[in-house]
Amino acid sequence: EAQVTQNPRYLITVTGKKLTVTCSQNMNHEYMSWYRQDPGLGLRQIYYSMNVEVTDKGDVPEGYKVSRKEKRNFPLILESPSPNQTSLYFCATKGGGGWTGELFFGEGSRLTVL
Amino acid sequence: ILNVEQSPQSLHVQEGDSTNFTCSFPSSNFYALHWYRWETAKSPEALFVMTLNGDEKKKGRISATLNTKEGYSYLYIKGSQPEDSATYLCASRAGGNEKLTFGTGTRLTIIP
Repeated sequence: EAQVTQNPRYLITVTGKKLTVTCSQNMNHEYMSWYRQDPGLGLRQIYYSMNVEVTDKGDVPEGYKVSRKEKRNFPLILESPSPNQTSLYFCATKGGGGWTGELFFGEGSRLTVL
Repeated sequence: ILNVEQSPQSLHVQEGDSTNFTCSFPSSNFYALHWYRWETAKSPEALFVMTLNGDEKKKGRISATLNTKEGYSYLYIKGSQPEDSATYLCASRAGGNEKLTFGTGTRLTIIP
């Protein structure tokens, strides 16, 4: 079954405590991306990766890091989380060329930073 | 940043009625328009990906049209059912840009 798996699904943490949200896909997709969803705002892209070792900033990259060492994994790293990073995070992947292919989303990770 | 707007923000529809809502996007350098359905506590799922002006796509009771010259897409739901209750997201990609920009969504509630 095609899957995009995120962990953790829910996390409450404190300001400054480094955390990583993992994302793994089993579809052999080259493109992977992280979005955050906040009330009243659309899904906003944080970072994306076109392939292994190729990453680029999205619209709201500040305070986040990513890495793409393997095709299947694309972790999102918050080195020093702050309350304004409290949000619902989605990892997504896309197969095929261009944007005629749909995004496949993970189940989301709800993060609260106190 | 590409501006993608959806209207209305929310909508209540009686079960059995048909409804539609709008996605507006900049028409210059248009490449693709995506529609996603997002149920509460689940992940967004793709409904349609549309690229050609005049395109019409259909999946069961849901259909969509695309006008790339004027920069809008309509999503139609015929004979609404309670399971249609969800937030419907559209997203657009402009040429030369690897980002898919999302609108804020239309939240649809079907009243039994």
